[in-house]
Amino acid sequence: AQSVAQPEDQVNVAEGNPLTVKCTYSVSGNPYLFWYVQYPNRGLQFLLKYITGDNLVKGSYGFEAEFNKSQTSFHLKKPSALVSDSALYFCAVRAPSSNTGKLIFGQGTTLQVKP
Amino acid sequence: DTAVSQTPKYLVTQMGNDKSIKCEQNLGHDTMYWYKQDSKKFLKIMFSYNNKELIINETVPNRFSPKSPDKAHLNLHINSLELGDSAVYFCASRGAGSSYEQYFGPGTRLTVT
Repeated sequence: AQSVAQPEDQVNVAEGNPLTVKCTYSVSGNPYLFWYVQYPNRGLQFLLKYITGDNLVKGSYGFEAEFNKSQTSFHLKKPSALVSDSALYFCAVRAPSSNTGKLIFGQGTTLQVKP
Repeated sequence: DTAVSQTPKYLVTQMGNDKSIKCEQNLGHDTMYWYKQDSKKFLKIMFSYNNKELIINETVPNRFSPKSPDKAHLNLHINSLELGDSAVYFCASRGAGSSYEQYFGPGTRLTVT
């Protein structure tokens, strides 16, 4: 069965410092991986995805993520955090065999960036 | 232009009532989804339609019934509302082919009293 784990409920970082939000997954075959961000009282916004190709993918708002097959991880990173990055971040996985596009989401990680 | 829209944004109702939430997307996507986000922010897929055909039907009480009149609309009807139905419900859509990501609506916060 597919699953996604985000081991940290909350990540705190100072503005200007690099940030990492962790995600590990379990899926049969090569996964499709996604990161979404949810600001308070808003819907989820797509940040980036890994389908195939280069293990380092770049997305919106300066975020990037690195796919590591041996560690089954897809950590979200940003070189320099902004206060406005404070939000709830979700990692999601889809099995490539799925013809429904069904996503399994992690439990979410709250990112708090302090000035 | 709003890509995925939901109405209403807030819905407060009493136990036992029947209510509907509507979703519309103007992205030309073929597939639409309903998710439930509980008080701990956990997201769970409920249903999905592809071109008006039901393709995902997770373990959801049969008081919940989705309806897709056309591929741009996916509505969620809930009968005999219970306290545990209180949550935020999100609609999402996805394009065909190589478009893997889903695009989410703003959510409908349902409160059952």
